[in-house]
Amino acid sequence: EAQVTQNPRYLITVTGKKLTVTCSQNMNHEYMSWYRQDPGLGLRQIYYSMNVEVTDKGDVPEGYKVSRKEKRNFPLILESPSPNQTSLYFCASSPRGAGEKLFFGSGTQLSVL
Amino acid sequence: GQNIDQPTEMTATEGAIVQINCTYQTSGFNGLFWYQQHAGEAPTFLSYNVLDGLEEKGRFSSFLSRSKGYSYLLLKELQMKDSASYLCAAMDNYGQNFVFGPGTRLSVLP
Repeated sequence: EAQVTQNPRYLITVTGKKLTVTCSQNMNHEYMSWYRQDPGLGLRQIYYSMNVEVTDKGDVPEGYKVSRKEKRNFPLILESPSPNQTSLYFCASSPRGAGEKLFFGSGTQLSVL
Repeated sequence: GQNIDQPTEMTATEGAIVQINCTYQTSGFNGLFWYQQHAGEAPTFLSYNVLDGLEEKGRFSSFLSRSKGYSYLLLKELQMKDSASYLCAAMDNYGQNFVFGPGTRLSVLP
């Protein structure tokens, strides 16, 4: 089944403790992206990647890192999480190109205490 | 700059028709998407417009005017399960990136 797999679904952590949210897609998509979603603010892009070893900052990249060593995986790393990073996170992928829609993972609800 | 605007909330009655508007300004433009998102779930694709005009898909239709930077999503014969947020998103720079609006939360009342 074609899908974007994101883990974990829920995560509670404490300030400063490094964490990684994994994202994997099995559709051979070139484009992958991370978003955070907060009430009233909609989906805001954190980082995106056009292909392996190519990553770019989105609108809210501060406090986050990503890597794209393989086409299928695009992990999101929080080196030193802070409470303002408490949010709902979505990974998404797309074949890239005009008219190609985004496929979303199921989301990660992160709480930083 | 990039900006997408849509109403925050709308309410409609079961069986009625509702139109959700979206205005956009993006650097380069290559299509307008609409997604549906139920609370706590991932967005799911509804429609895509790149040329001016109306695209119809069952109870849902989407319209685009590129010259006005305007789109709308039309939902007919509303059902309770249509209560969700509806996200407008523009693709810019020939498929290089997506910009999302804040979403419109639709409540369908009996």
